[in-house]
Amino acid sequence: EAGVAQSPRYKIIEKRQSVAFWCNPISGHATLYWYQQILGQGPKLLIQFQNNGVVDDSQLPKDRFSAERLKGVDSTLKIQPAKLEDSAVYLCASSLPTGVGSPLHFGNGTRLTVT
Amino acid sequence: AQSVTQPDIHITVSEGASLELRCNYSYGATPYLFWYVQSPGQGLQLLLKYFSGDTLVQGIKGFEAEFKRSQSSFNLRKPSVHWSDAAEYFCAVGATGNNNDMRFGAGTRLTVKP
Repeated sequence: EAGVAQSPRYKIIEKRQSVAFWCNPISGHATLYWYQQILGQGPKLLIQFQNNGVVDDSQLPKDRFSAERLKGVDSTLKIQPAKLEDSAVYLCASSLPTGVGSPLHFGNGTRLTVT
Repeated sequence: AQSVTQPDIHITVSEGASLELRCNYSYGATPYLFWYVQSPGQGLQLLLKYFSGDTLVQGIKGFEAEFKRSQSSFNLRKPSVHWSDAAEYFCAVGATGNNNDMRFGAGTRLTVKP
């Protein structure tokens, strides 16, 4: 099966600019997640979607971050305006919704550098 | 809230040697525990998970982990390391088994010497 696709792989922007990341989950996976992985740390969940509805966005900095999954498939994560501390790898993951502990399938991530 | 600590930032082992990566968790009840591996430039891949039952869990790629409630630990082991095992390893703990409450440790980077 095709894995989780993310683009771009790398992005360099200046602070106060905006940026968007795209994710296409594994076909049939209704649940989609965005994680932020800062260098030297484990991934931190930003937002979880079930189909096109938000399940959990408690750790999303809503003053600058937004995400959508309009048709319940692809998703976009946006940062506007970016800050230096947003430099990180942004990982998208998907899973089947059924059952506890349904494994996460991760994409390769987008590495963001804010200068 | 649950949390996890991986005491070793970086470990180096020789190819063919045994491996143990440490993971300590903090949670008042029985946790859900996971180990993920991340190769350079890649996303994370689930190695194994513990929810209940047998405290020794077998995973993919020859890895196993043992849940020890008395020590609040879930250490990952492999009897003989291969060069392809060089990667970053993340332990994670959850309260419900649902992915949205899973908390990752900071990771342990494994280097394998020839």
